[in-house]
Amino acid sequence: GNSVTQMEGPVTLSEEAFLTINCTYTATGYPSLFWYVQYPGEGLQLLLKATKADDKGSNKGFEATYRKETTSFHLEKGSVQVSDSAVYFCALGSRGNKLTFGTGTQLKVEL
Amino acid sequence: NAGVTQTPKFQVLKTGQSMTLQCAQDMNHEYMSWYRQDPGMGLRLIHYSVGAGITDQGEVPNGYNVSRSTTEDFPLRLLSAAPSQTSVYFCASINPRAGGGMNTEAFFGQGTRLTVV
Repeated sequence: GNSVTQMEGPVTLSEEAFLTINCTYTATGYPSLFWYVQYPGEGLQLLLKATKADDKGSNKGFEATYRKETTSFHLEKGSVQVSDSAVYFCALGSRGNKLTFGTGTQLKVEL
Repeated sequence: NAGVTQTPKFQVLKTGQSMTLQCAQDMNHEYMSWYRQDPGMGLRLIHYSVGAGITDQGEVPNGYNVSRSTTEDFPLRLLSAAPSQTSVYFCASINPRAGGGMNTEAFFGQGTRLTVV
C-alpha cells in the first residue's frame, strides 16, 4: 500500500536559517504530493502541492520538487522566520481523493 | 465563508459513554472524511464519504460510525467510548471536481480534542 516517511522532529533552527524537511514515499501509480502545515491549536492547511514528476510546488517561500526517480518531495525554505514554527506534514494523494500522511515534523524557530 | 466547522472543540468522556462529533462544510464539497491524529502516527483515516448517502471505512474504522444524510454534514459517532479513542479528531472536505479531479486540496476543520477517562 501507499506510505509516506518524513524525518522525525523536533527541528529547532535559528531565524534566517535554511530549512530542509525530508519526505519520501511509496505508492502505486502516479500520486499527487502535498505539504500541509498545522499551526498551534489549528487544523491542517495546504502549504503546497505537486501533481506530476518534476513539478515544483511553492508558497510563502517554501518549495518542494516532485522527484519520481528518488520518490521524494523534500520541503525547503531559504530563510525561516519565527512565524514558521508549526508542524509540517507530507502527504500523498491517490485515486479516490484518499490522502496518506506522514507522521509530521515539528519545527521550532528561535530568535 | 466558514469552510469546515467542527464542534465541540474539547470533550471529556467516561469509558462507555457515547457522543457525536459534528462536522459541517459550506463549500458544497462532495467528499468528506474523518481523521484521528495521534503522537508519532500522523493522521489516520477513520471513515469517508464520496457523497450524500454513501460512506465507507478508512484505515481505523472500529468503534466509530458515520452517516451522510446531506452534502453539508458528516457526523462521527462513538457508540461506547474507550480510552484508546483519546485523540484529536479532524474533519476534512474536498471538491473532487476541482483541479480536473486529480487529488486536490483538502480543507480541514480546527479539530476536536477528545479525552476518554
